[in-house]
Amino acid sequence: GAVVSQHPSRVICKSGTSVKIECRSLDFQATTMFWYRQFPKQSLMLMATSNEGSKATYEQGVEKDKFLINHASLTLSTLTVTSAHPEDSSFYICSAGQNYGYTFGSGTRLTVV
Amino acid sequence: QKEVEQDPGPLSVPEGAIVSLNCTYSNSAFQYFMWYRQYSRKGPELLMYTYSSGNKEDGRFTAQVDKSSKYISLFIRDSQPSDSATYLCAMSEVGRRALTFGSGTRLQVQP
Repeated sequence: GAVVSQHPSRVICKSGTSVKIECRSLDFQATTMFWYRQFPKQSLMLMATSNEGSKATYEQGVEKDKFLINHASLTLSTLTVTSAHPEDSSFYICSAGQNYGYTFGSGTRLTVV
Repeated sequence: QKEVEQDPGPLSVPEGAIVSLNCTYSNSAFQYFMWYRQYSRKGPELLMYTYSSGNKEDGRFTAQVDKSSKYISLFIRDSQPSDSATYLCAMSEVGRRALTFGSGTRLQVQP
């Protein structure tokens, strides 16, 4: 089955620094990947749609300059949280798939101190 | 009003019970319906996927979609302690591949 690998699983960074999260499709090519954010005991909220070879599409209210997405190949999308602040602390999850039953990565727990 | 409503629970049942999990939605354009299971601090795992109305069964799991009522259900038979997790419903429109999630129901199966 489809496997999506996400790295790192946990990261702690200082306020003002940037953090990069990687999402890889291991056994299939993904022209589109999705980035979600999940706060404790809340659901997943779509942040952006990552398109290979073109600009990402951001959901309303998501700052594109703060959450930089790069989808440079058919198997890799990256999310960079720039100038992180404590309110950016959250669980970030990517997903990809060839149909509508998408596979999710294992998530990245970001803590900004 | 949220697009997708889901009772957050927690729902606690004894081992062997039949569990019923439900979601309602307001967007009539939703055509694809999924149920995911999420363990603590992990990514969601796809359990069931259905298109439009109807039932789908896979082992101990049965998914039902009633588009006329905008209501979907997931039934778990012979529930096991290992089923203890948060269950998320998710939906999408034709042509829009991103998913809209419910808030998740936390299930606890007591041995």
